[in-house]
Amino acid sequence: DGGITQSPKYLFRKEGQNVTLSCEQNLNHDAMYWYRQDPGQGLRLIYYSQIVNDFQKGDIAEGYSVSREKKESFPLTVTSAQKNPTAFYLCASSIRSGRGRREQFFGPGTRLTVL
Amino acid sequence: AQSVTQPDIHITVSEGASLELRCNYSYGATPYLFWYVQSPGQGLQLLLKYFSGDTLVQGIKGFEAEFKRSQSSFNLRKPSVHWSDAAEYFCAVGSNNDMRFGAGTRLTVKP
Repeated sequence: DGGITQSPKYLFRKEGQNVTLSCEQNLNHDAMYWYRQDPGQGLRLIYYSQIVNDFQKGDIAEGYSVSREKKESFPLTVTSAQKNPTAFYLCASSIRSGRGRREQFFGPGTRLTVL
Repeated sequence: AQSVTQPDIHITVSEGASLELRCNYSYGATPYLFWYVQSPGQGLQLLLKYFSGDTLVQGIKGFEAEFKRSQSSFNLRKPSVHWSDAAEYFCAVGSNNDMRFGAGTRLTVKP
């Protein structure tokens, strides 16, 4: 059963702690993305990666870090430097079609609450 | 700067009525265009997409959208809404790795 999995679904952390969100895909997609979603706002791109061991910052990368050691995995670490980390985090992946186009497929999301 | 505007934050329609959700964008070139749907606490599901060609595109669940270049719009339509369509809808615009999302329109369906 192919898809994107994110774990955990809900995550609670104390202020000042780093936390890592998991994202795994078995779709054989080359590109993976992390978005942040806040109420009343659209999705904002945090980081994306097109190949293993390479990634680019999105619009709101400050306070976040990522790694891409395997094609299937793209974990996101929310560091203590992120000033307002409570949000819904969505992971996505995509593959380039024969015409060079991409469409993104999304995981179920992780809701992070910092207490 | 690239941007996406969904003018309606919340829309309420009666079951069986028609629906149109608006999306306007500002983008340097002709972008790729998408509509996604999100149920509470869930990820986004792709409803339909436009890359090129016929400006009227059909999607899943009976949705369609029309790309109007002159108006920089990509409005989503459905002729008859079902109670299960209640959700939040997001318009997205961009190129391969530069997607911009609107703030979303929440759809409520009255019985």
